[in-house]
Amino acid sequence: KAGVTQTPRYLIKTRGQQVTLSCSPISGHRSVSWYQQTPGQGLQFLFEYFSETQRNKGNFPGRFSGRQFSNSRSEMNVSTLELGDSALYLCASSLTGGEDTQYFGPGTRLTVL
Amino acid sequence: AQSVTQLGSHVSVSEGALVLLRCNYSSSVPPYLFWYVQYPNQGLQLLLKYTSAATLVKGINGFEAEFKKSETSFHLTKPSAHMSDAAEYFCAVSTNAGKSTFGDGTTLTVKP
Repeated sequence: KAGVTQTPRYLIKTRGQQVTLSCSPISGHRSVSWYQQTPGQGLQFLFEYFSETQRNKGNFPGRFSGRQFSNSRSEMNVSTLELGDSALYLCASSLTGGEDTQYFGPGTRLTVL
Repeated sequence: AQSVTQLGSHVSVSEGALVLLRCNYSSSVPPYLFWYVQYPNQGLQLLLKYTSAATLVKGINGFEAEFKKSETSFHLTKPSAHMSDAAEYFCAVSTNAGKSTFGDGTTLTVKP
């Protein structure tokens, strides 16, 4: 089976712009979670989608949003980018969430200038 | 609420020596516990997972971890370190749908 894929792998944006990141889960996985990884804050949970519904959400401002499509692919959007949004954004998929093992993609490295 | 504490942000061992990475967790319900490894500019790779079936869990690349409820610990060990083990290691706890809480990570350095 193909693993979790994320596109693009690298992205450079300027403050105030918006960005959309994409995640394709492992075939058959219906849960997709997003995490932000920074040197200062570590790995922080953004949100989780299951069957096109946001089921769980972390403590991030409303500028961070996401969605999931009927084929389980997911996108996350960050509007009005700030310098502090520079991070590695990781997507993870699992069969149904909960205690299921999460499999991570390689991440999208976002740099905000 | 759940939390994870990894003791020691940096651990250095000699090649062939024992690797011990410490993880303590806090959870109000029986947790699922994970260890992941991350190489530079890559995502997280699962090393092993505890699901209450057995307290000693064996993972990939010779790693294993022991769940100790009384100590709320889930330390990761490997009898003999290899140069390729140099990476960052994360302990995580999960009780909610699709949400894992991660420790701050431990960077393992292996000296020749």
